[in-house]
Order: sequence, then structure tokens, then C-alpha cells
Amino acid sequence: ETGVTQSPTHLIKTRGQQVTLRCSSQSGHNTVSWYQQALGQGPQFIFQYYREEENGRGNFPPRFSGLQFPNYSSELNVNALELDDSALYLCASSPFHLRTGRGFYGYTFGSGTRLTVV
Amino acid sequence: ELKVEQNPLFLSMQEGKNYTIYCNYSTTSDRLYWYRQDPGKSLESLFVLLSNGAVKQEGRLMASLDTKARLSTLHITAAVHDLSATYFCAVARALTGTASKLTFGTGTRLQVTL
Repeated sequence: ETGVTQSPTHLIKTRGQQVTLRCSSQSGHNTVSWYQQALGQGPQFIFQYYREEENGRGNFPPRFSGLQFPNYSSELNVNALELDDSALYLCASSPFHLRTGRGFYGYTFGSGTRLTVV
Repeated sequence: ELKVEQNPLFLSMQEGKNYTIYCNYSTTSDRLYWYRQDPGKSLESLFVLLSNGAVKQEGRLMASLDTKARLSTLHITAAVHDLSATYFCAVARALTGTASKLTFGTGTRLQVTL
């Protein structure tokens, strides 16, 4: 059973550029969430994807967008990068069972992508 | 808006002694998580607490949940250097029927000294 993998591990971008981060979910997990963790702080929820649609969003502007693919992998896109976007971006996958409504008891986090905006 | 507070923010521990981290949250939830994070690394799941009075133990760590007080504690018994890390509690809330998010505390940085 593979865990959650994220790529790239590190990235440096210039203010105003666009970036795409990638996440492969754990086998058997059908939901993916993205979190932003600034230095010295706890992770903040960006959004969640289920069945290839965004079904929950935190307090992040529209320039943060994402995709989920049929194999449950996901992308996080950030446009018009700002210096404050520098952070560790974490992807978490979890299983959700629509029929029973049970799920989210186990979130598996990836190792993260460290984004630096200069 | 759900708020999650941890204290202390920093804890210098002596090896062999016992300590407790507290996690308070502001609204009801049915799930509370504890994570460990080493510097520059991702989050390692420690415990999931699902009901009032739940207690879970793994090695020198024991977590408990009091949903009426909206309080969880992480107790460390006989601290050892390997426990040095930052510990986060996180509270789950449903957003929709199919979406849920974690709200994290500010984290407690533990440092174990000889």
C-alpha cells in the first residue's frame, strides 16, 4: 500500500508567476484535501476534492484552484503568486464512503511541497 | 468560526519527567486528531479520538478527549529525546455531506533535554 506522494518537494518561484503542485492519493482513498502551512503555524485548510469536484473550501482567494483526476490524484494551482504564499503545502487523502456516510477518520498526509516566492 | 488553542506553545522537558499538552476548541466536533511534525517534515498521525471519554495510548504518549469541556490532553510519560518535535491537535468539522476539514491548533514545540 503506497502512501501519499507529492511533487515537487521544493520550488522557488517569482512573485506574479503561476505554480502547479501535484499529489497522488493513498490507494483506496477517494478524497483529497490541500493545506497551507506557513512557517511556525498550523496547517490551514485550502479546499477538498471528491469525485473530481471541489466540495469544500477554506478562506483562500480564487487564485488558489485545483483539480482531481479519475485516479483520485490532484493538483493545486496558484496564480499571481505573492510573497505570503511561501509555505509548506500539504496534501491529505482520506477514504469517504457515500453509501454509509462514513469516512474522514483517517487522513494520510504527504511529505509536502516547500514553495518559496521571491 | 471554530478556534483551536493549544498550550503551552513551547515546552522544555527534562528526560524522565511527565508533561501534559492541552488542546481547547470552541465548538462541538466528533473527531479530534493529534499529529507530530518533525522540522521540515510532514504530519505523522498519532491518535484519532472519536467520542467523549476516549483514551488512547501509544508508548509514552496518551491522549484523552472530553467533549463536554471541549478539551483534549496529550500526556507524555517519562520524556525521552526522541519525542522532541512539534505536536498539533486538529478538530474535524463537516462542511457538507461529503466534505470535512481539519482546523489545527497553533502547535506545541517540545524539546527534551538531558
